[in-house]
Amino acid sequence: QVQLVQSGAEVKKPGASVKVSCKASGYTFTSYYMHWVRQAPGQGLEWMGVINPSGGSTSYAQKLQGRVSMTRDTSTSTVYMELSSLRSEDTAVYYCARESFFTSPIQLNYYYMDVWGKGTTVTVSS
Amino acid sequence: DIQMTQSPSSLSASVGDRVTITCRASQSISSHLNWYQQKPGKAPNLLIYTASSLRSGVPSRFSGSGSGTDFTLTINSLQPEDFAAYFCQQSYSTPRTFGQGTKVQIK
Repeated sequence: QVQLVQSGAEVKKPGASVKVSCKASGYTFTSYYMHWVRQAPGQGLEWMGVINPSGGSTSYAQKLQGRVSMTRDTSTSTVYMELSSLRSEDTAVYYCARESFFTSPIQLNYYYMDVWGKGTTVTVSS
Repeated sequence: DIQMTQSPSSLSASVGDRVTITCRASQSISSHLNWYQQKPGKAPNLLIYTASSLRSGVPSRFSGSGSGTDFTLTINSLQPEDFAAYFCQQSYSTPRTFGQGTKVQIK
């Protein structure tokens, strides 16, 4: 079955970096974009960025530019999200989410995140 | 960036009630609007895509409507398993943006 398996919880000190993995299975890895979304405790969903597993191109949220990097390894069907210069505000659950699309009769694509990983808790604390 | 504004931020309802959640986009997004349900400690789960298409396996008591800037998620005959948080999300452009969420609680 289609699934995304994320790496385990992390505890980091301020200023450190964290790298979270998301291993895809059950579908053609390079055919679907992968997004990263995070959720701080008790808060809403924040989009972080997206990677095209086929060519590796990325787009990041402006507020994270310079601190976030998303990469992929097609040989293992795994995407990675690395966040550097961690601060307490980065404490959150980090999700990867596959984006699928529906093509309308007039050839318009509509996108939606249909498969999500279970989340990786990242705690930043001194 | 497109801002998504949901209302209310929380509501209390009873089993069997009809619940309506609204989502407004800061600019027209046509029908590029999705709804997700999230239960405590779990990842979000897609309910509705393209504003009104019910995902396979989602109960028919869930429905979505709207186009342009104003959208609605309706839950007919609320069930115990529906008490959760609900988020709208636009997929018209990048960055993808979410509403702040609506928490549906038991009255």
